[in-house]
Amino acid sequence: QVQLVQSGAEVKKPGASVKVSCKASGYIFTSYYLHWVRQAPGQGLQWMAIVNPASGVTDYAQSFQGRVTMTSDTSTSTVHMELSSLRSEDTAVYYCVVGFDNYDVWGQGTRVTVSS
Amino acid sequence: SYELAQPSSVSVSPGQTARITCSGDVLSKNYARWFQQKSGQAPLLLIYKDTERPSSIPERFSGSSSGTTVTLTISGAHIEDEADYYCYSATDNNLGVFGGGTKLTV
Repeated sequence: QVQLVQSGAEVKKPGASVKVSCKASGYIFTSYYLHWVRQAPGQGLQWMAIVNPASGVTDYAQSFQGRVTMTSDTSTSTVHMELSSLRSEDTAVYYCVVGFDNYDVWGQGTRVTVSS
Repeated sequence: SYELAQPSSVSVSPGQTARITCSGDVLSKNYARWFQQKSGQAPLLLIYKDTERPSSIPERFSGSSSGTTVTLTISGAHIEDEADYYCYSATDNNLGVFGGGTKLTV
């Protein structure tokens, strides 16, 4: 079955960077775009970025431009999302998501805590 | 910037019909999806392409669209439908946007 397995929780200091990975299985990795979505504690869902795993082409939400980088490794069917210059407001659960015609699959979420 | 506006909360009694709206210019040209999120869980897709429902989703959930507004309708709400609901759409330049979310109380 389709699965997205994310890397484990991270605790970072303000100003640092964090890299979260998302390993896909159960479908053709290069055939479907993959998104990143985050949710801060008690807040709503926020769309961050999208990557075409086949080409590596990415698009980022304006609010993350310059701070987020997504890379795709077709040899391991893994997408990495790196967020730099972390601040306390980046404390959130980060999800990778793949969308098919009539369903989505979400990773289990990676909790990132930014604290001094 | 691209925005989708939802009411912050909706309240109905069990068995009543709940309607949650989502408005934004992007909806006139792009399909919407609706997600349900219960506390501590990942979101669950309820509706895609404005009106389509995955086979695993109960029939009481339906979607409709008119112009720049889409609506999620829960016909005969159950107590277990109490959750947060989010609309989502994509923009012309391949970006995504979520509504702010609606807390449904049943």
